[in-house]
Amino acid sequence: DGGITQSPKYLFRKEGQNVTLSCEQNLNHDAMYWYRQDPGQGLRLIYYSQIVNDFQKGDIAEGYSVSREKKESFPLTVTSAQKNPTAFYLCASSIDGRGFDTQYFGPGTRLTVL
Amino acid sequence: SQQGEEDPQALSIQEGENATMNCSYKTSINNLQWYRQNSGRGLVHLILIRSNEREKHSGRLRVTLDTSKKSSSLLITASRAADTASYFCATDGGLWGAQKLVFGQGTRLTINP
Repeated sequence: DGGITQSPKYLFRKEGQNVTLSCEQNLNHDAMYWYRQDPGQGLRLIYYSQIVNDFQKGDIAEGYSVSREKKESFPLTVTSAQKNPTAFYLCASSIDGRGFDTQYFGPGTRLTVL
Repeated sequence: SQQGEEDPQALSIQEGENATMNCSYKTSINNLQWYRQNSGRGLVHLILIRSNEREKHSGRLRVTLDTSKKSSSLLITASRAADTASYFCATDGGLWGAQKLVFGQGTRLTINP
C-alpha cells in the first residue's frame, strides 16, 4: 500500500462518541487526503491538505475534523455531529497538492457505529 | 463538481476474455487516471493519461482518451482471476479547476475461472 499506514483496520464506535482515525506516510509527500467510501460507491473527498499546517474542506466535511501538524501525519476525527459515520475511510497522499498527481492509498479503516 | 462516470457498473466475463470499461466526464481535464480496488482494500494506481495523449499501454492494460467526447476506456486483455476488482476513473479539474481528484462510482469486474 505504498508507504501509507492507517490504523486501526476496524473501529467500532457508540453513538455520540468522537473517534480519531490515524494516517501516516513515509513517502515525503506534501499532500494528504481523506476519503469516505460507502458500499458499492465511489470515493468522496472529506478533507485534504496540500502542506503542513494547512487543510481545506472537501465535498463532505460536515461532522469531520482534521489536523496537519506534521508532514507525515494527517489524522481524521469523526465527531458526534456526523449523522451517518458507518463507512470505509481511505487516506491517500501525493507528491504535491496540484490535484492531478497520482495518489497513493492506505489500506483503509472500516468504521461501524453501534 | 465534475465527476467521472463508469460504465458498466458491473461486468462478468470468463478468464482469458478481454474486459472493457468506460468513463465519461463533464469538464476539461489535465489528466485522467485509472485505479483498481480489491475488495476491502485501498486503491492502487494503474495508469495516468494526459489530456494531450490518445492512448497509453501498461502490460495488459490499454487506456484511450477522447477529449472531444470527454470519455476514456480501460481495456484489460487476456483477463485473469486476479483481475477481479473494482476499477475507478479519476479526473482533475483542469488548469483552472479545483486542485483535487474526483472519482467515479466504479465498475465491478468479476473474472470467472
